[in-house]
Amino acid sequence: GQNIDQPTEMTATEGAIVQINCTYQTSGFNGLFWYQQHAGEAPTFLSYNVLDGLEEKGRFSSFLSRSKGYSYLLLKELQMKDSASYLCAVRVKGGSYIPTFGRGTSLIVHP
Amino acid sequence: EAGVAQSPRYKIIEKRQSVAFWCNPISGHATLYWYQQILGQGPKLLIQFQNNGVVDDSQLPKDRFSAERLKGVDSTLKIQPAKLEDSAVYLCASSLDPAGDPYEQYFGPGTRLTVT
Repeated sequence: GQNIDQPTEMTATEGAIVQINCTYQTSGFNGLFWYQQHAGEAPTFLSYNVLDGLEEKGRFSSFLSRSKGYSYLLLKELQMKDSASYLCAVRVKGGSYIPTFGRGTSLIVHP
Repeated sequence: EAGVAQSPRYKIIEKRQSVAFWCNPISGHATLYWYQQILGQGPKLLIQFQNNGVVDDSQLPKDRFSAERLKGVDSTLKIQPAKLEDSAVYLCASSLDPAGDPYEQYFGPGTRLTVT
């Protein structure tokens, strides 16, 4: 199986930058996902990394290092609406290709 | 495009009762998933369908949980009898091709189940 670790909770100030880390241990790595989940709502897709490096999409960027089993999600110019849980999920090759989700990081953005 | 639909949104039942959830995936999505998300945790896969066939149900507690997708579109998830620890949000998701790249799952709003 996969062992995925992310901080439980983080706080940041509106307008700032925050980095949410995710480490994983798995064999047959086949991609890492970040999802955003607001309280009481369904997860929504943010990013997908399968190769090393940084993927930028607007205010959100995601980085992957396969050799280190490490990823981070970078949120810039934080807004109050970014307060949510951020889920890291890892997919492995073969089988059903289902991503395994971490517990999520609850981000609280304050004024 | 219409998203993944689920009903009901909320359900409260007593332990040992039965309950059923319904999901309608995005049109054209062959793959459908049911997840259980306990408060404070990430979603845990219960079952994956490819069209009307089961691909993975290794984490489905088969003594009390069942799911079907008879015509390869809508799906129902049933719990009978329910236990207190089944209190969770049940999420349905769909995707075009789980092995594809890029790959994305689209989640429904979920059903929040409370077992008392």
